Order: sequence, then structure tokens, then C-alpha cells
Amino acid sequence: AQSVTQLDSHVSVSEGTPVLLRCNYSSSYSPSLFWYVQHPNKGLQLLLKYTSAATLVKGINGFEAEFKKSETSFHLTKPSAHMSDAAEYFCVVTSDSNYQLIWGAGTKLIIKP
Amino acid sequence: DTEVTQTPKHLVMGMTNKKSLKCEQHMGHRAMYWYKQKAKKPPELMFVYSYEKLSINESVPSRFSPECPNSSLLNLHLHALQPEDSALYLCASSQQDPKRDGYTFGSGTRLTVV
Repeated sequence: AQSVTQLDSHVSVSEGTPVLLRCNYSSSYSPSLFWYVQHPNKGLQLLLKYTSAATLVKGINGFEAEFKKSETSFHLTKPSAHMSDAAEYFCVVTSDSNYQLIWGAGTKLIIKP
Repeated sequence: DTEVTQTPKHLVMGMTNKKSLKCEQHMGHRAMYWYKQKAKKPPELMFVYSYEKLSINESVPSRFSPECPNSSLLNLHLHALQPEDSALYLCASSQQDPKRDGYTFGSGTRLTVV
């Protein structure tokens, strides 16, 4: 069975410092993985995706993530945080079903001025 | 057009009301989804339509009734809801294989049941 664990419920960083949001997954096959972002009172936006091509994936707004099969991780990073990055971030893994995705519990990113 | 459009953005309804949520996409996606999201939680899948046919119903109470009139439209009919049904309702669409591209989400309808 597939599962995904976001290791931090909240992450707080100062503006201009690096961001690291951690995600570990469990899968019986080679999954696809996604990071979605949700700003307050908004819908969900796809940040980036891994689908068995390059293991270092670049997304929108300067975010990137590295798929590490040996560590079963897909951590999200950004070199320099901006106030507009404050949001909820979800790590998502594909399941056996064609349509269902497995969602992490979310990490709230707080940016301090 | 790379958007999923949901209307209304906000809805307040009484427990005896009947209302509908609407979702529209023009990306040629053949799978469409309804999700429910409570505060500070990830979204929970409710229904999946594939090629306009209901493929997945995640044991959702019958007071929620989905409808897919055509490949671009998805409705969610609401009747006799309970206060605990208050949530953000998200519509999404995908290519036939979302494992490759993921979903495209709308901005949601914030539903309050009074």
C-alpha cells in the first residue's frame, strides 16, 4: 500500500533564508509524486511533479524537489523564502488506482519578516 | 484555457435547502473530481467521473448527488445537508492518467450549512 508522511506540521523561516519541507513516502511500485500549494482560502496549485524522469525536479516560484528512492524521500526546497510563500504545502503520491492520489497531512509554511 | 472554474465561490444554505455547485473546464480533460476539504486537513476524494460516467463514489452520503452533463461540466447537487458538511468543496480535472500530470484544481466553493 502507498502512504505519504510530511514530517513537519509547521515550518517557520525568515524571509530570504532557505526553505526545506520534508516528505517521505511508501510505495510498492515506482510512484509519481507531486507537491501542491494552497494559499489561505484558495484552491490547490501544482508546484512540481516527479514522474520517473529526472530525479531533480524544478517547479514554479523557484521551488525544487529531489526524488531519492534509497531514502524514499521527496523533500521540497527553495533557496530564499519570500513572504508570498506563506501557505499550506501538500506532498502527494499516486496509488494503485488510476484516479486516486494519497495526500500528506500538509505542512504550514510561515515566513517571518 | 488552463483553468477549472467553480461557482459560486461562497454559499450559505439552510439544512432544508437544495442547492448546486458547478464546475467547468475546457482543457479536454476526461476525468473530473469532487473533493471535500475541512480546515487544516488535506482534501478528501468524494466522486470521480471518467468519460462522463461515475467511476468512484467514496461512500458519500446520498445528500450529495453528483452529475456530469457533458465532458466539460460537473455539478454537485446538495439537499438536506448537515452543519458538519460545511467545508471547502474543490473540483478538479485531469487527463485520463493523472499519474503523469496530476490534477488541475478549481479555487473551490466555501459552503456553510446553517
